[in-house]
Amino acid sequence: TQLLEQSPQFLSIQEGENLTVYCNSSSVFSSLQWYRQEPGEGPVLLVTVVTGGEVKKLKRLTFQFGDARKDSSLHITAAQPGDTGLYLCAGAGAAGNKLTFGGGTRVLVKP
Amino acid sequence: DTEVTQTPKHLVMGMTNKKSLKCEQHMGHRAMYWYKQKAKKPPELMFVYSYEKLSINESVPSRFSPECPNSSLLNLHLHALQPEDSALYLCASSQEGQGAGRSNQPQHFGDGTRLSIL
Repeated sequence: TQLLEQSPQFLSIQEGENLTVYCNSSSVFSSLQWYRQEPGEGPVLLVTVVTGGEVKKLKRLTFQFGDARKDSSLHITAAQPGDTGLYLCAGAGAAGNKLTFGGGTRVLVKP
Repeated sequence: DTEVTQTPKHLVMGMTNKKSLKCEQHMGHRAMYWYKQKAKKPPELMFVYSYEKLSINESVPSRFSPECPNSSLLNLHLHALQPEDSALYLCASSQEGQGAGRSNQPQHFGDGTRLSIL
C-alpha cells in the first residue's frame, strides 16, 4: 500500500510571509498532483508533476518533485488571504489512475 | 466554475430512504470516480469507472451502488444508509491515458454533494 505523509497538518501565517508544505512517501509515484480545496467546494487542481527533479511555478506557488519521485513540496511566496484553504497532494502509481491522497495541510493566511 | 457538475448540492435523508447522487461532465473524459470525504480529511476513493465499466471498488458496502449509464454521466444510488455515511461525496473525471501515461492524467473534481443521514 502506498502512503503519502503531508506536513504540517495546519499552518497559520500572516499575509506576506512564506510557507512550505511537504509531501513524503517511501514509495515511488508516476506523478504527483497538488490540489487546493476551499470550504463547500471540491478540490481544484493546481499542478501535476511527472519528472523527478521537476520544478513548476504558478505565480507565487512553486512546486517541486523529488529526484526519486517519492516526495514533493509546495512553496508559497508572500502569501495572501486568498491562499487560505486545504492543500492536498495526491500521488498516482504506475498501475493506473488510482490516486493516493496525503492527509492535507490546512493553511490560514491572516490579513 | 467546475466542469464537473454534481446534483444535488445538499441531501438530507432518513436511513430507510432511497436516493441517487448524479454527476455529469462534458470534457470527453472516459474515467470517472466517486470519493467520500469526511470533515477535515482527504477524499477517500470509493469507485472508479473506465470506459463505462467498473474497474475499482474499494470494498464499499453494498448500500452504495454506482452506475455509469454513458460516458458523461455517473450516478451513485443510496439505500439504507447509516448516520456514519454522512459526508461530502465528490465526483471526479479524467482522461484515460495509455500505458505509463495513464497515471499522469489529472483528475477534475465537482463541488460535491453534502449528504446528511438522519
